[in-house]
Parts: sequence; structure tokens; C-alpha cells
Amino acid sequence: KQEVTQIPAALSVPEGENLVLNCSFTDSAIYNLQWFRQDPGKGLTSLLLIQSSQREQTSGRLNASLDKSSGRSTLYIAASQPGDSATYLCAACAPNTGFQKLVFGTGTRLLVSP
Amino acid sequence: NAGVTQTPKFQVLKTGQSMTLQCAQDMNHNSMYWYRQDPGMGLRLIYYSASEGTTDKGEVPNGYNVSRLNKREFSLRLESAAPSQTSVYFCASSAANTDQPQHFGDGTRLSIL
Repeated sequence: KQEVTQIPAALSVPEGENLVLNCSFTDSAIYNLQWFRQDPGKGLTSLLLIQSSQREQTSGRLNASLDKSSGRSTLYIAASQPGDSATYLCAACAPNTGFQKLVFGTGTRLLVSP
Repeated sequence: NAGVTQTPKFQVLKTGQSMTLQCAQDMNHNSMYWYRQDPGMGLRLIYYSASEGTTDKGEVPNGYNVSRLNKREFSLRLESAAPSQTSVYFCASSAANTDQPQHFGDGTRLSIL
């Protein structure tokens, strides 16, 4: 059974710092790895999706990497801003045809102080 | 630009009452999902519908039923609500190809007294 772990559970940094959020998964047979952002009282917003054949994806100040062999993914946030404060969730997608079976981690709650 | 719409946003029920959570998507997605989110446990899949006309159990289906009414709509029903079903419920949808992410609604916050 796939298990996804995110460390740390919470992180507080001053504005401008570069930071790394970690995600580990127990079963390397994944189809893709997805990173989401969740603001308080809101749903999940997709940030990045890395296919199993890819090593990394970038969007603006965000960079996500994937190492299937070690069961790890990292989300790198450059030059953090107070607006980045949110909970970040990763999810491993099992290989199924036609739909996405996602297993979520419990998230890293990020606070960026001005 | 609605995406995934869930109703209601908040609901308080008494133990034993029934209710249906509604979900609709306007992205022409084939697959739809219902999750619950509880503190410290992350999101857990309740039921999913890979395509119109099909539904399957996820990780925590007990106490719930679903209906894929058409390609746009996927409802979740609690027949006899229990306090353990107090949670935030999220509906999501995705395209048939798995290189596109899931899209989520804003959730329904359900309290059962």
C-alpha cells in the first residue's frame, strides 16, 4: 500500500529565503507526482505535476524534482514571499488507466513572515 | 471559469439525518472523485467515477453512497450521518489522460452533532 510522508509538518521562514519541502513515498511504481497548494478554508490548487519519466518541473519560482528510485520528491521555492504562506501537499499517482488514484501526504504548513 | 463547484459550503446535521453533497464540473472531464480531509490524516479517497456510468469504492467508502448523474455531476450521499463523518469533503475531477492534474472544488464543511 502506498504511503506518502511530508517533512516538515510546519515551517516558518523570513521573507526572501529559499526553501525546500520534502515528500517521500514507499512504492516507486507511480505514474506521476503532483504538488498542490491549499489556502485556509479553500480547496487544492495544482502547482506542478511531474511524470514518472521526468526528473523535474519548473513554474516561476517553483521547482519540483522527482527521484523514483529513492522514493523522493522535493518542492523548491525561491525567494519566498508572504503570499506563499499556505499548506503544500504532495500526492503520488498510482498507474491506472483512465483515472488518477492519488495518495496524499498530510502536508507542510508554510508561514513566510514579512 | 467555474471549474469544480460544490454545494453546500457548510452544513450542520444531527446524528441519523441524511443529506446529499452536490458536485459539478464544467471542464468536460471524464473522471470525478470524492475525498474527505481530516486533521492529521490528509485527504482520503471515498469514491471515484472513472467515467460516466461507473463508480468504485476508494479507501474509506463505509457510510457513503455516490451517483454519477451525468458527465458533469457526481453526488455523495450520507444515508444516516454519524459524528465520525464530521469532516471537510472535497470533490475533484480529471481528464482521461493522466498527465493533467486533478482540479478541486472549495469543499463542504460538514458537522454532525
